[in-house]
Amino acid sequence: NAGVMQNPRHLVRRRGQEARLRCSPMKGHSHVYWYRQLPEEGLKFMVYLQKENIIDESGMPKERFSAEFPKEGPSILRIQQVVRGDSAAYFCASSPPQHNPENIQYFGAGTRLSVL
Amino acid sequence: AQTVTQSQPEMSVQEAETVTLSCTYDTSESDYYLFWYKQPPSRQMILVIRQEAYKQQNATENRFSVNFQKAAKSFSLKISDSQLGDAAMYFCAYRLYNNNDMRFGAGTRLTVKP
Repeated sequence: NAGVMQNPRHLVRRRGQEARLRCSPMKGHSHVYWYRQLPEEGLKFMVYLQKENIIDESGMPKERFSAEFPKEGPSILRIQQVVRGDSAAYFCASSPPQHNPENIQYFGAGTRLSVL
Repeated sequence: AQTVTQSQPEMSVQEAETVTLSCTYDTSESDYYLFWYKQPPSRQMILVIRQEAYKQQNATENRFSVNFQKAAKSFSLKISDSQLGDAAMYFCAYRLYNNNDMRFGAGTRLTVKP
């Protein structure tokens, strides 16, 4: 059973370009979470999605950031018109359906975004 | 708002010795989970141990154990018989029982000296 897969591992973009980060959850997991980690800081929650639904986006910046988790395919975190302050490691986590009381989140290895 | 505080930015321990990492949190809720995650240089976030707030018994996973003091809102991690592979960033995290996002502390960088 493969773990949470994120790609690319490293992404370099110039200011103003778009960044697309992909996350494939563990098999059987229908919940996906995105976190951002700035250097020397802990992870900050961004958004929680289930298939085709955004459940909680309270941690997402209001502009330029969007996320989706389509019926088929990976979850995508999209950052439009990137700025240097977007440089960070972006982590995806997945968990089983909510009725699992433990609801442990399993993390991917992250995507390090560097904005030049 | 729930916040998680790790007051030790860096810690070091001699190989085979024991080290304790501190974590405190602030919440007015009674049902929640607490976690310790390890982040080695590979940046993978690895779950080390978790604790349900309603359980009085401290969680244990092999060489890792916690000291959960609910009234004091403290959740420290003890690593016994430290190994070189334990060197990593350690993050304490909190999640409400019926909530979706986890709140992380700023992390403690653990160095293990041979």
